[in-house]
Amino acid sequence: EIVMTQSPATLSVSPGERATLSCRASQSVSSNLAWYQQKPGQAPRLLIYGASTRATGIPARFSGSGSGTEFTLTISSLQSEDFAVYYCQQYNNWPLAFGQGTKVEIK
Amino acid sequence: EVQLLESGGGLVQPGGSLRLSCAASGFSFSSHAMSWVRQAPGKGLEWVSTISSSGGSTYYADSVKGRFTISRDNSKNTLLLQMNSLRAEDTAVYYCAKKAIGPAGTCFDPWGQGTLVTVSS
Repeated sequence: EIVMTQSPATLSVSPGERATLSCRASQSVSSNLAWYQQKPGQAPRLLIYGASTRATGIPARFSGSGSGTEFTLTISSLQSEDFAVYYCQQYNNWPLAFGQGTKVEIK
Repeated sequence: EVQLLESGGGLVQPGGSLRLSCAASGFSFSSHAMSWVRQAPGKGLEWVSTISSSGGSTYYADSVKGRFTISRDNSKNTLLLQMNSLRAEDTAVYYCAKKAIGPAGTCFDPWGQGTLVTVSS
């Protein structure tokens, strides 16, 4: 079973600044890694799949990178609507697994 | 527009059963794998189960294997989750999610709004 670990648990960022979120897999997941955004009271939304491909309608300020066991989600210039919790998910092996989440909050 | 609408949640006693439904519209339901993902109050996301487009293949998290059964009725565009022997730790919002178009593997896009299951005496 693959364990996904996200860091940091909470990230305090000012609007307009860059945010960098990390996700580590306990074994290689190749590029089979997705990122989701969840706002309070809402369902998660797919941002990135294949480690670096933006889902339909996702703004270009969201970018993903990495392969194997180390992955990064970067939000280049935080907008007010980007303050949320972000989850990574591996889909290389069953059982599928999510990280525990990173909360991006306003500094 | 793809829409996923869950129903069937509620309060159930430990050891009880509940059946969740997800009504799908706006896409060719029979062509896509579907999944259930849950989120305990104030906690993160946990994958529960996935079923292939035909229903011929199913996958479960160890935490629910042997207690939950995923199924689908492609004639009614409906995804189901039969939950038996429920425990307090099964308390969560249960989301229905479609397999995302694009990646070969199973990630989720979009998600329904969820239905709350509370297991308590």
